[in-house]
Amino acid sequence: DTAVSQTPKYLVTQMGNDKSIKCEQNLGHDTMYWYKQDSKKFLKIMFSYNNKELIINETVPNRFSPKSPDKAHLNLHINSLELGDSAVYFCASRIAGANTGELFFGEGSRLTVL
Amino acid sequence: GDSVTQMEGPVTLSEEAFLTINCTYTATGYPSLFWYVQYPGEGLQLLLKATKADDKGSNKGFEATYRKETTSFHLEKGSVQVSDSAVYFCALSSNTGKLIFGQGTTLQVKP
Repeated sequence: DTAVSQTPKYLVTQMGNDKSIKCEQNLGHDTMYWYKQDSKKFLKIMFSYNNKELIINETVPNRFSPKSPDKAHLNLHINSLELGDSAVYFCASRIAGANTGELFFGEGSRLTVL
Repeated sequence: GDSVTQMEGPVTLSEEAFLTINCTYTATGYPSLFWYVQYPGEGLQLLLKATKADDKGSNKGFEATYRKETTSFHLEKGSVQVSDSAVYFCALSSNTGKLIFGQGTTLQVKP
């Protein structure tokens, strides 16, 4: 069983479109994250939710809107896609309040904007 | 703010060579420190961690020691294998709950 699963794994779309990436974890964790990895492999945190509540919101364009329907799911919706949004987006989760704890990552969703 | 700096890659080694990837950090308080590894086409997975000063994390022949006096957490392995080829990320976990990553170091091991 996959602990953190993301769909789709690959997404190719045109500029200006709206798309969503879904994430689910079956680890019973309370805290979930979205990270963006650019072409140089640099990883930047975008959002974090704890028990469906937004707790970290980095400087991300408001075209990006996360949604957490329950603590096992954190989806990412992107409006009006731009070329610079092309990246690999990783979902991750961990136990709440455990800054000593491991972050578990999904396999990533590679978004290509043409 | 908190930050992590890693040595630039790529690092290219022959099999059985000694590996060091340098990592230094800046943080308020007492962060936990991690090394994550990303194999091609995969997500990140935890390689090792240390939660307080002088702790040594180790796994799969890799080691790193949390050095508060030099704010460092260098990754070492005595004898690398081709299968160790991957991108390695140093990270710290701040008191705000963020996991902050270094820029990643690509390791290529040639037979």
